[in-house]
Amino acid sequence: DVKVTQSSRYLVKRTGEKVFLECVQDMDHENMFWYRQDPGLGLRLIYFSYDVKMKEKGDIPEGYSVSREKKERFSLILESASTNQTSMYLCASSLTGGWGYGYTFGSGTRLTVV
Amino acid sequence: KQEVTQIPAALSVPEGENLVLNCSFTDSAIYNLQWFRQDPGKGLTSLLLIQSSQREQTSGRLNASLDKSSGRSTLYIAASQPGDSATYLCAVSRGGGADGLTFGKGTHLIIQP
Repeated sequence: DVKVTQSSRYLVKRTGEKVFLECVQDMDHENMFWYRQDPGLGLRLIYFSYDVKMKEKGDIPEGYSVSREKKERFSLILESASTNQTSMYLCASSLTGGWGYGYTFGSGTRLTVV
Repeated sequence: KQEVTQIPAALSVPEGENLVLNCSFTDSAIYNLQWFRQDPGKGLTSLLLIQSSQREQTSGRLNASLDKSSGRSTLYIAASQPGDSATYLCAVSRGGGADGLTFGKGTHLIIQP
């Protein structure tokens, strides 16, 4: 089975800090994604990447950036954390052309910005 | 812009009942539809994937159907158990299939023992 691993389950950071959320997948998937999940708003796409060093904005990219230096790793960066970025962050991966396999998600990182 | 709606938002039923969760989407040009389960505070677990050319998929007590032309999918759970209590999310592929998923807001399901 494909595994998507998010390095932290819970994080508490201070306003203004630079925050890195890490995600690693182990099945050579080309595509990786970052979502945030908030009550009443559901899951919203922040950024995605379909290849190393490539990135595309999702629906809510403001205040975030991403890095993909290796195929298996996709990092979400909060340049200057703010309290409205307190949320559950979910990473996912998928195989290009592998529509029969769907998307695989990590277990999530609960980020609290104080 | 694709919109996904799930009805009902919450459902509570006694153990043993068969139940149906509904999902509708506004743009029928999808590549696939995926049902997920989410336990409180956890990530998403994939339950079933239906490709656009398929009508249904089954896994154990779960059956998902897809009517692409009408923009609807249903998740049928047979003989419900307390362990089925969770939030169920429906998601459809965006764009060319590699552009992520658009999610509904989920159905929060409680199975009463």
